[in-house]
Amino acid sequence: NAGVTQTPKFQVLKTGQSMTLQCAQDMNHEYMSWYRQDPGMGLRLIHYSVGAGITDQGEVPNGYNVSRSTTEDFPLRLLSAAPSQTSVYFCASKPSGANVLTFGAGSRLTVL
Amino acid sequence: GESVGLHLPTLSVQEGDNSIINCAYSNSASDYFIWYKQESGKGPQFIIDIRSNMDKRQGQRVTVLLNKTVKHLSLQIAATQPGDSAVYFCAEKAYTGGGNKLTFGTGTQLKVEL
Repeated sequence: NAGVTQTPKFQVLKTGQSMTLQCAQDMNHEYMSWYRQDPGMGLRLIHYSVGAGITDQGEVPNGYNVSRSTTEDFPLRLLSAAPSQTSVYFCASKPSGANVLTFGAGSRLTVL
Repeated sequence: GESVGLHLPTLSVQEGDNSIINCAYSNSASDYFIWYKQESGKGPQFIIDIRSNMDKRQGQRVTVLLNKTVKHLSLQIAATQPGDSAVYFCAEKAYTGGGNKLTFGTGTQLKVEL
């Protein structure tokens, strides 16, 4: 099993550009989520999904969109990148009702 | 312990010594706690968890202690090895009006000196 796979690992964008961070898991987990990690702060929840076709906002959703068309995939879209979105992004998943998240390796995004 | 600044607190230990990493959590209603390990350039990795009805739980070389009175959690690593060098952070789970919420700490950098 590959676990949680994120692509790309690194990305540099200019302000105003759009892009999608990809996340895929092969563990048949119902729950998937996106976090951002910034220096001096704990992981903050951006968006999450409890199953295919269902998404909801987390703590810091502004500037990001998500969709969940399949159980396996949960892409994160930046519609118009801003320097404040420079961060490391982690996708995580877990079975429904479980407490422990399995994280991907992260995607480092720099917005100039 | 936890940090609100830009720099993570650092714990330096000699190889073979025991390490104790501390975490102060905020919500007295939290009923479940997790310790994660994050190596440089990688995602967080589960180490051990504990429910609020317990005060101690042991794993392989790791022990988590929970003191609900002072809202304090600690991770003890026995016979620390170079491969233990990483950032360690705790997470607490509490039920809010909107469902379960997981809150992550900022972490402690563990450096193992040879």
